Amino acid sequence: EVVLTQSPATLSLSPGDRATLSCRASQSISYYLAWYQQRPGQAPRLLIYDASNRATGIPARFSGSGSGTYFTLTISRLEPEDFAIYYCQQRSDWPPLTFGQGTRLDIK
Amino acid sequence: QVQLVESGGGLVKPGGSLRLSCAASGFIFSDYYMFWVRQSPGKGLEWVSTIANNGRAKYYAGSVKGRFTISRDNAKNSLYLHMNDLRVEDTATYYCAKDLGAHDGTGSYYFFDSWGLGTLLTVSS
Repeated sequence: EVVLTQSPATLSLSPGDRATLSCRASQSISYYLAWYQQRPGQAPRLLIYDASNRATGIPARFSGSGSGTYFTLTISRLEPEDFAIYYCQQRSDWPPLTFGQGTRLDIK
Repeated sequence: QVQLVESGGGLVKPGGSLRLSCAASGFIFSDYYMFWVRQSPGKGLEWVSTIANNGRAKYYAGSVKGRFTISRDNAKNSLYLHMNDLRVEDTATYYCAKDLGAHDGTGSYYFFDSWGLGTLLTVSS
């Protein structure tokens, strides 16, 4: 089973800051990684798929990079609505499809 | 637009059974793999099960294999999750989710591009 480890667990930043979230896989998963955003009380929303492709309707301030075992999600300038929990998910070696444990992005 | 609406959650005693449903609209249901993903209160996301667009292939997380059965009715645009021998640790919000790609089009991605609002299952005595 591919284990995804996200860091940091919590990131405290201010609106306008740049955010960098990481996701490390326990084995190479090529580029088969997605990022999701989950706001309180809402379902997750797909942001990025195949490591670097923005999903439909996702603002350009969200970008993804990486391959193999190390991936990053960057939010270039934080908007108030970006403070949420972010999860990565792999589809390289499944079942099972696996998620990271999440990074909480808090307002500083 | 795509809409997924789950139903069927509730309070069940350990060892009990329940069936969750997901009504889909706004896309050609029979073209897409579908998924169940759950989230225990205050916890992260856990993939539960996948079903192929034609219903022939089914996959399960180890934690539910042998107890849960995924199914679909393409004529009714509906997805189901039959749950038996429920345990306290099955307590979660269960989300229905759609694959990013059409299986016979761009190909299945096994990423979840549309989600329902979820239905809460509580297993407690």
